[in-house]
Amino acid sequence: GQNIDQPTEMTATEGAIVQINCTYQTSGFNGLFWYQQHAGEAPTFLSYNVLDGLEEKGRFSSFLSRSKGYSYLLLKELQMKDSASYLCAVREGDYKLSFGAGTTVTVRA
Amino acid sequence: IAGITQAPTSQILAAGRRMTLRCTQDMRHNAMYWYRQDLGLGLRLIHYSNTAGTTGKGEVPDGYSVSRANTDDFPLTLASAVPSQTSVYFCASSPSGGAGGDTQYFGPGTRLTVL
Repeated sequence: GQNIDQPTEMTATEGAIVQINCTYQTSGFNGLFWYQQHAGEAPTFLSYNVLDGLEEKGRFSSFLSRSKGYSYLLLKELQMKDSASYLCAVREGDYKLSFGAGTTVTVRA
Repeated sequence: IAGITQAPTSQILAAGRRMTLRCTQDMRHNAMYWYRQDLGLGLRLIHYSNTAGTTGKGEVPDGYSVSRANTDDFPLTLASAVPSQTSVYFCASSPSGGAGGDTQYFGPGTRLTVL
């Protein structure tokens, strides 16, 4: 089993930067995913990290440190449409993903 | 349009009734999954299937059963619904079921209320 922790809520201003942290404990780490979920909708894939370091995709970046059991998702140049829940998920072994409870980000004008 | 469909969109069910949630994907993905999502708990895996003909238990399998007769369909059955099974249920699929950055794609969800 594993423990995945991320903050419950964060609020930021349009145009700003927000960093969502995720810490995990797992016995068989095989990759970390970030998903975005708008209210009432399905989660959609944002990023994947399996090696240490930073992965950048446009305004979104994700970082992983396997030795520290730590990842963060960085959202730059925040837009109102970025208001959503962000889910950290860890793959342990071959198939199963374990999800954190999610971080609700509210972007204010 | 390729993707995952789920039916019904929402359902109110009396406790003790049997209910099957349907999930169909047309992406020819090998692996499929069922999750439930509850406020404050995040997504929890109920059952999964690595490939047609095989299934496995997830984190919260009690009270649920699945079958995988073919690649496209992965129905979830509640044999005798209880109020604690009130939740939003998401079906997901992934191409290979685990290799590398194998990404799971989610259906739109079924909102189930058991009274």
